[in-house]
Amino acid sequence: GQSLEQPSEVTAVEGAIVQINCTYQTSGFYGLSWYQQHDGGAPTFLSYNALDGLEETGRFSSFLSRSDSYGYLLLQELQMKDSASYFCAGYTGFQKLVFGTGTRLLVSP
Amino acid sequence: DGGITQSPKYLFRKEGQNVTLSCEQNLNHDAMYWYRQDPGQGLRLIYYSQIVNDFQKGDIAEGYSVSREKKESFPLTVTSAQKNPTAFYLCASSEGTSGNNEQFFGPGTRLTVL
Repeated sequence: GQSLEQPSEVTAVEGAIVQINCTYQTSGFYGLSWYQQHDGGAPTFLSYNALDGLEETGRFSSFLSRSDSYGYLLLQELQMKDSASYFCAGYTGFQKLVFGTGTRLLVSP
Repeated sequence: DGGITQSPKYLFRKEGQNVTLSCEQNLNHDAMYWYRQDPGQGLRLIYYSQIVNDFQKGDIAEGYSVSREKKESFPLTVTSAQKNPTAFYLCASSEGTSGNNEQFFGPGTRLTVL
């Protein structure tokens, strides 16, 4: 089957840098996306890696290595508002995503 | 304003009753999706539709049904056959041709079975 594993929780302080990892068990993903979800809210798109390497969007960067079946989301200059759950999602084609287990990020002052 | 709306925000149902969750989008997107999210869990795909009058089962379709008679609407019916329907239900849509496969989500409906 297709599954994406993430750490369940990560903690950090304001201003720090944190990395959220995503490992997957299938060879059928064409790319890897990242979504942010605040408690009780809707997921919102952060980034998509269609190719191996690093994509940078402001304070957030995302990395993909297909050969290692691995990706990560890097958040820099953490702010309190970054406290949320983060999901990686593999793109399987036919406009479908398979979501990871999710990582809850807690940012403290 | 373009976006996705879901109604109602909260829904309570008695066991044995069917209930329909609404999802409407005015983004002119071809593809629409229904996900289920349980507390502390990821999103699991229930059904998806790539185009009007067509839809496919996702990973957990048992006990659910959908229709796609209009491009902007994709209602989900939770039937009495769904053994554990209490969950947060999220509807999403995507353009289908965008390079990043971004999905846009509605605010969700929280269903509680009493």
